[in-house]
Amino acid sequence: SQTIHQWPATLVQPVGSPLSLECTVEGTSNPNLYWYRQAAGRGLQLLFYSVGIGQISSEVPQNLSASRPQDRQFILSSKKLLLSDSGFYLCAWSTDRDQPQHFGDGTRLSIL
Amino acid sequence: AQRVTQPEKLLSVFKGAPVELKCNYSYSGSPELFWYVQYSRQRLQLLLRHISRESIKGFTADLNKGETSFHLKKPFAQEEDSAMYYCALSGAQGAQKLVFGQGTRLTINP
Repeated sequence: SQTIHQWPATLVQPVGSPLSLECTVEGTSNPNLYWYRQAAGRGLQLLFYSVGIGQISSEVPQNLSASRPQDRQFILSSKKLLLSDSGFYLCAWSTDRDQPQHFGDGTRLSIL
Repeated sequence: AQRVTQPEKLLSVFKGAPVELKCNYSYSGSPELFWYVQYSRQRLQLLLRHISRESIKGFTADLNKGETSFHLKKPFAQEEDSAMYYCALSGAQGAQKLVFGQGTRLTINP
């Protein structure tokens, strides 16, 4: 069966430090992959999505970047974190656009 | 611009009472609408989607294009329905890029 792993569950980082959040999917091939963020008091916002290896689409201008080095691996990164990067980050996958998305457990990121 | 509005952050009803979680959207084309749910200590998961036209766990939702609404309804609430509910929209083209509402926390009182 398909599963999605996202880590770490929580992370506390100082302003200006780098970031790397990882998401991996098992049990499926060539999934669509997504990164969402939920800032305090707001709904989930799509940050990036990928339909294949090396293919990244950014939905909003921001301090973050995403990469897909392998078929089932999706990484969210930053070279220098800002206070505004704090939030709850969710990774999701789907087999194609007509299928529902499956979400990971999320990472709560706090910037100090 | 695509937008989803859930006007109620919190909703509390008694067990056995009807439930309606409101969702309004803004989209110029023909959207696909979803309801996602997150139960305590569980992952966010799909509850239902409008194209399926089915009832899941007693919940139904009808897409009203005239009112641009997709309200979630259940005639008799159960305690296990307590959860966070998110309405979401996806445009007609490209990857399934979901736009979420802020969510409504539903509490069913015994």
